[in-house]
Amino acid sequence: AAGVIQSPRHLIKEKRETATLKCYPIPRHDTVYWYQQGPGQDPQFLISFYEKMQSDKGSIPDRFSAQQFSDYHSELNMSSLELGDSALYFCATVRVRENDGYTFGSGTRLTVV
Amino acid sequence: ELKVEQNPLFLSMQEGKNYTIYCNYSTTSDRLYWYRQDPGKSLESLFVLLSNGAVKQEGRLMASLDTKARLSTLHITAAVHDLSATYFCAVDILGGGADGLTFGKGTHLIIQP
Repeated sequence: AAGVIQSPRHLIKEKRETATLKCYPIPRHDTVYWYQQGPGQDPQFLISFYEKMQSDKGSIPDRFSAQQFSDYHSELNMSSLELGDSALYFCATVRVRENDGYTFGSGTRLTVV
Repeated sequence: ELKVEQNPLFLSMQEGKNYTIYCNYSTTSDRLYWYRQDPGKSLESLFVLLSNGAVKQEGRLMASLDTKARLSTLHITAAVHDLSATYFCAVDILGGGADGLTFGKGTHLIIQP
């Protein structure tokens, strides 16, 4: 069965550089959530999209932005990277009116040096 | 603000023993999720509990939900080493809406031979 695809799997960037993370949902899933997970931490909600519109923002820095495209894939853009941005970034997708729960992608490990 | 509390946060146990992880949450929600995470890996969905009194079992794991007490439990029976992982419970406020999931801090489970 198709899963949630994230790319890249690993990314190494220098401070002040930019990064773009991509998330491709399961077909028919209309909602995307982005989470950041620091070492030894629980995932923290960053931002979500429903039907290509931003639906809520969590603890997302102003340096980050995201969007969802017409094919429902989503991209998280991160600028002026800081050492503290090093983390695992997950997207999770769901079809809102169904009770299947959230499916997480395999994550992108971002390391800022 | 929704708060999700897990305990214990760290658990070391021997193979063959039984134990229970507890998850309390602070606001009304009928949907509770349990995830497993191996180091550096994604979140694997274990259970989706959708109503009061829901009980689900898969292998040596059994999860239950008491929405009146705002409590879920994850019970491990006759633990085996392969169950070593971090287990997260998570709750969503709006049932798949804008806020997505709020996670507990996770229970780091080590099962020793």
